[in-house]
Order: sequence, then C-alpha cells, then structure tokens
Amino acid sequence: GDSVTQMEGPVTLSEEAFLTINCTYTATGYPSLFWYVQYPGEGLQLLLKATKADDKGSNKGFEATYRKETTSFHLEKGSVQVSDSAVYFCANQAGTALIFGKGTTLSVSS
Amino acid sequence: DAGVTQSPTHLIKTRGQQVTLRCSPKSGHDTVSWYQQALGQGPQFIFQYYEEEERQRGNFPDRFSGHQFPNYSSELNVNALLLGDSALYLCASSLDGTRTDTQYFGPGTRLTVL
Repeated sequence: GDSVTQMEGPVTLSEEAFLTINCTYTATGYPSLFWYVQYPGEGLQLLLKATKADDKGSNKGFEATYRKETTSFHLEKGSVQVSDSAVYFCANQAGTALIFGKGTTLSVSS
Repeated sequence: DAGVTQSPTHLIKTRGQQVTLRCSPKSGHDTVSWYQQALGQGPQFIFQYYEEEERQRGNFPDRFSGHQFPNYSSELNVNALLLGDSALYLCASSLDGTRTDTQYFGPGTRLTVL
C-alpha cells in the first residue's frame, strides 16, 4: 500500500543553519506530495505542496522538489530560525486520503 | 474567513463510553476528512465524507462512525471507547477531495480515555 518514510528526529540545529529533512514515498498512481508543520499544541498547517513530477513547492523559505525517479520530496531551508522549531510531516495523496510519515521534530537554538 | 473549527478542545471519557466530536469546514469546502493522531505519530486517515456520504474509509473498526450534515459540518462518533482510542482527532476540509486538492486542518480535539 501507499506509504511515506521520513528521517528520524529529532533534528537539532543552530539558528541560520541549513536544513534538510528527507522524505521518500511509495504510491500507486501519481500522488500529490505535501509538507505539513505542527507547532506545539496545534493542528497541522500546510507548508507546501507539489502535484506532479519536477514541480517545486515553496513557502516561507522552505522548498521541496517532487522527484519521481527517486520517489522523494526532501524539505530544505537555507537558513533556519528559532521560530521554525516544530514537527514536520511529509504526506502523499494518491486518492482522497493523506498518508503521513511519522514526523520529524526540528529544534532550532539561538 | 473562518478556518476549520472543531469542538470540544479537550475531552475525558472512561472505557466503554461513547463520544461525539464535531467539525465545521472552511467556508466553501464541502468535503470533510477525519484523522487520528496518536502521541508521537503521524495522523492516520479514518474516513472522508462528501455530499453527506462516506466516500472512503481507512483501517478503523466499525466503532468509528461519522455523519455529514447538509451544511457540510461533520461528526465523528466513537463507541465502546478503549484506552487505545486516546489521541488527537483532527478534522480536515477540502474543496473536492481529489488527488491535487489541499486539505486544511482544524486545531483538533484531544480525547483522553481513562
């Protein structure tokens, strides 16, 4: 069945460091891919999405490119801030349901 | 423009009881999905409602049931609660629930089963 695998956390970085969170997926058909972010005590917020191969999603300095050949959708940011500390979820959607990874906790210190 | 709203925020129940959670979708959305998020895990899909019908269901037992009203709001009902049902229950709404559609999440209802 469809699944998403993302790197285990926690990821601990200093402010202004470069961030990569790896995400790979398996899916029947051609899924859309998403990154959601969850701040403590809150629901999920959409960070970015891509709906077809080679699309790049971007928002708030975060980027991810839909790589069909490697079935990946890695999240990157050039310079993280303390306010980026949260849990990040990669997800795919081949039909009506979102399939999520287990989440990666990011902690950024000043 | 109000986003997705859920009620209540928190709920404490005992084993064997029944619970009803409520969700109002984002304005203009007619599709509602429910997810269960256990502590430290990613959300898991329970089911999706569209035009008052259950369109798709995840791997959850029949104790989990739902309903969608003509105004597109939705309820999630869980019968015969188990300790393992303790989780954050998230509602998401979308325009049409298709592959490229974006699901927008509410803040969730934290259910604790004692």
